[in-house]
Amino acid sequence: GAVVSQHPSWVICKSGTSVKIECRSLDFQATTMFWYRQFPKQSLMLMATSNEGSKATYEQGVEKDKFLINHASLTLSTLTVTSAHPEDSSFYICSARGGTIGRGLYEQYFGPGTRLTVT
Amino acid sequence: GENVEQHPSTLSVQEGDSAVIKCTYSDSASNYFPWYKQELGKGPQLIIDIRSNVGEKKDQRIAVTLNKTAKHFSLHITETQPEDSAVYFCAASRVNDMRFGAGTRLTVKP
Repeated sequence: GAVVSQHPSWVICKSGTSVKIECRSLDFQATTMFWYRQFPKQSLMLMATSNEGSKATYEQGVEKDKFLINHASLTLSTLTVTSAHPEDSSFYICSARGGTIGRGLYEQYFGPGTRLTVT
Repeated sequence: GENVEQHPSTLSVQEGDSAVIKCTYSDSASNYFPWYKQELGKGPQLIIDIRSNVGEKKDQRIAVTLNKTAKHFSLHITETQPEDSAVYFCAASRVNDMRFGAGTRLTVKP
């Protein structure tokens, strides 16, 4: 399967500061990247979908000014949590998808996740 | 939108036994059904998937079945091993819209 990396794997920040999380597809070009958050013992909740070179599409209830997503290249997407608060503490996971119809259009490959703790 | 229900939420089996996890979905336009395994503190890993034009797919000890008419699909793990212990998520997807079930915590007792 395809390899997706995330950095950092964990981060602790103070309330009010911003944190940037990077997601990279290492061995394929990701036309679309997805950002999820996951609370303990819960499922994955889609936050936003981004296509390379386009603005991200956010799910209902996700503040686009708080969770800034940039997908500047076919191998890199970043999520910046601005003015973080303790309630933003969560496990953030990206996934990437590349391909065309008939060649991996649907498969999503996930990164290892980033544990964010806001104190 | 799509709604995916997954059962059971927890499943405990003895090593060597089989495990079955079931999911139902609501959107008849969904045409791709992957299964992910997530270990503690890690991201989900794709373990098997099935397209809507196929009824069954097998890969060694794991298999997935799909009943498109009834809108349900299942994951079957045979000869379970302790390392199969994890949380398993099903998902139903159209292009750019993948929705996940709530997850099943599988415990395989040695």
